[in-house]
Amino acid sequence: NAGVMQNPRHLVRRRGQEARLRCSPMKGHSHVYWYRQLPEEGLKFMVYLQKENIIDESGMPKERFSAEFPKEGPSILRIQQVVRGDSAAYFCASSRRGSDYGYTFGSGTRLTVV
Amino acid sequence: GQQLNQSPQSMFIQEGEDVSMNCTSSSIFNTWLWYKQDPGEGPVLLIALYKAGELTSNGRLTAQFGITRKDSFLNISASIPSDVGIYFCAGPPNTGTASKLTFGTGTRLQVTL
Repeated sequence: NAGVMQNPRHLVRRRGQEARLRCSPMKGHSHVYWYRQLPEEGLKFMVYLQKENIIDESGMPKERFSAEFPKEGPSILRIQQVVRGDSAAYFCASSRRGSDYGYTFGSGTRLTVV
Repeated sequence: GQQLNQSPQSMFIQEGEDVSMNCTSSSIFNTWLWYKQDPGEGPVLLIALYKAGELTSNGRLTAQFGITRKDSFLNISASIPSDVGIYFCAGPPNTGTASKLTFGTGTRLQVTL
């Protein structure tokens, strides 16, 4: 019974490149959440998705960031034309229902922009 | 937006000691969650509180939902080395999507032998 799987665990990108972060939710979970954690800070909500729908993207930067959760396959967080300030740990979480606050987090993807 | 402030920011304690930390908000929360994050890992849920005044335990951990609904407390009794990590409080906002969590600033705990 695998937990939330994120890959890659570590990602290094040069400024201007694209970063694609993947998240496979727990089996039976159809709700996915993405959070960002800057060094020495708490997690900040980015986006909440259900299969094929974005429910709440109020925490997503207006430009360069996008997220999807297709009918088949993992959820993808995409960052275009990365800048140094995008360096952070990105965590995905999943839940069975939208009202399950205590959802399960993955181990994160640590993005470093050089 | 709603903010959660945690104190202390960090603490060094000796193995066997009890630990207390708290989380305060400028606005009311209807649910309080406490998470622990180990280095290089995602947060793991420790305790969830759903009612003002509620006191809930999970092993050596005890958490309380403040009666004003603007604060919560976490206590760890008889600390051990594996308690090392960052402890975050969190809660859903009163407006907008119910599933979005606001996280506190964290309390970093280090345990010495």
